[in-house]
Amino acid sequence: DAMVIQNPRYQVTQFGKPVTLSCSQTLNHNVMYWYQQKSSQAPKLLFHYYDKDFNNEADTPDNFQSRRPNTSFCFLDIRSPGLGDAAMYLCATSRSQGIRSNQPQHFGDGTRLSIL
Amino acid sequence: GIQVEQSPPDLILQEGANSTLRCNFSDSVNNLQWFHQNPWGQLINLFYIPSGTKQNGRLSATTVATERYSLLYISSSQTTDSGVYFCARGAGSYQLTFGKGTKLSVIP
Repeated sequence: DAMVIQNPRYQVTQFGKPVTLSCSQTLNHNVMYWYQQKSSQAPKLLFHYYDKDFNNEADTPDNFQSRRPNTSFCFLDIRSPGLGDAAMYLCATSRSQGIRSNQPQHFGDGTRLSIL
Repeated sequence: GIQVEQSPPDLILQEGANSTLRCNFSDSVNNLQWFHQNPWGQLINLFYIPSGTKQNGRLSATTVATERYSLLYISSSQTTDSGVYFCARGAGSYQLTFGKGTKLSVIP
């Protein structure tokens, strides 16, 4: 089945130690998103790729970076994780053909990140 | 900024009961989606519904864009319906702003 796959499901890292989360998709969607969701809160968009174009949200800390080497894969890099970065990280995809073309977003199962 | 308000924040239902969840938004919409997040954190897209009415089994949704609200109906609720229901609205075009959600607990 076509889907959005996130690995790993759970990730533990040390304070200040760089960590990378991965997302892959078989939907061939051109837009990929990364969200951060803290406990009992709504998902918050960090950034997204529209094709190869990277779009950062204004309030996303510089500590968070992303890479999209091809259509299928997208990575979230946290350069120096702090205790406040412990959260669920959700990857999503959608198909868009421009500003007036909207399609449902499909989410992966998420990676729950813990900071020691 | 764009507001997405959901009500009620919490809801407890007896299994078999029906419910209506509401989403109000402060601006015009061309992208409105409903999601269910189960207790394991999985976020499932229920409806893409910028206007009109859609039904999928026991669930249906209606968006009245001119009055800036959307409703999610759950009929004959089951324990597997428990979780958090999010309404999300397109902030620009395809980007979404989520409401704070409605936490639903269905008890046997």
